[in-house]
Amino acid sequence: EDKVVQSPLSLVVHEGDTVTLNCSYEVTNFRSLLWYKQEKKAPTFLFMLTSSGIEKKSGRLSSILDKKELFSILNITATQTGDSAVYLCAVARDLISSGSARQLTFGSGTQLTVLP
Amino acid sequence: SQTIHQWPATLVQPVGSPLSLECTVEGTSNPNLYWYRQAAGRGLQLLFYSIGIDQISSEVPQNLSASRPQDRQFILSSKKLLLSDSGFYLCAWRSGGRDEQYFGPGTRLTVT
Repeated sequence: EDKVVQSPLSLVVHEGDTVTLNCSYEVTNFRSLLWYKQEKKAPTFLFMLTSSGIEKKSGRLSSILDKKELFSILNITATQTGDSAVYLCAVARDLISSGSARQLTFGSGTQLTVLP
Repeated sequence: SQTIHQWPATLVQPVGSPLSLECTVEGTSNPNLYWYRQAAGRGLQLLFYSIGIDQISSEVPQNLSASRPQDRQFILSSKKLLLSDSGFYLCAWRSGGRDEQYFGPGTRLTVT
């Protein structure tokens, strides 16, 4: 059975701190690993990673994938209160061999709270 | 640009009542469509996916069903709701060749 495990489950930091969120996975037919940010409503897409060792960066957020050790980390530097959210990790795999459907298996998320 | 709509935003229904949640996507054609449920403090559980009109697959056996009567419309239904159906229901779309899915605003369902 596919598994995506995120740690820590929750994290409380102060503005300006740097945080690292972890995601490990066991998935058959791995295609990519994705990070989403969820603030009360729908998850919004942050990054997709397909290759080991290549960092994806967007502003203060960055992420890297290790396909040998089957994990990814999401770093947030100089955190702000607006970074408070649940961060979800998901792994993509094909649902059927002959079709185009693709499944995302999600972890339970890390609840990040940034205090002023 | 593409947008995805869901309605209603919130719903309170008694046990045993029927359910119909609707999702529509604009700005793309032949998307893959997905229904997820998120219980409080949990990750997203895939319920149904569709690769085309009238092509629905179920991932979790339950008293819910899904239909796709038009290319960009996806409907989640139930004939009789259970208490355990409460949760946050999210519709998502994906275009061919890409892995990322984009989510609608969600429907928060409370079954009383």
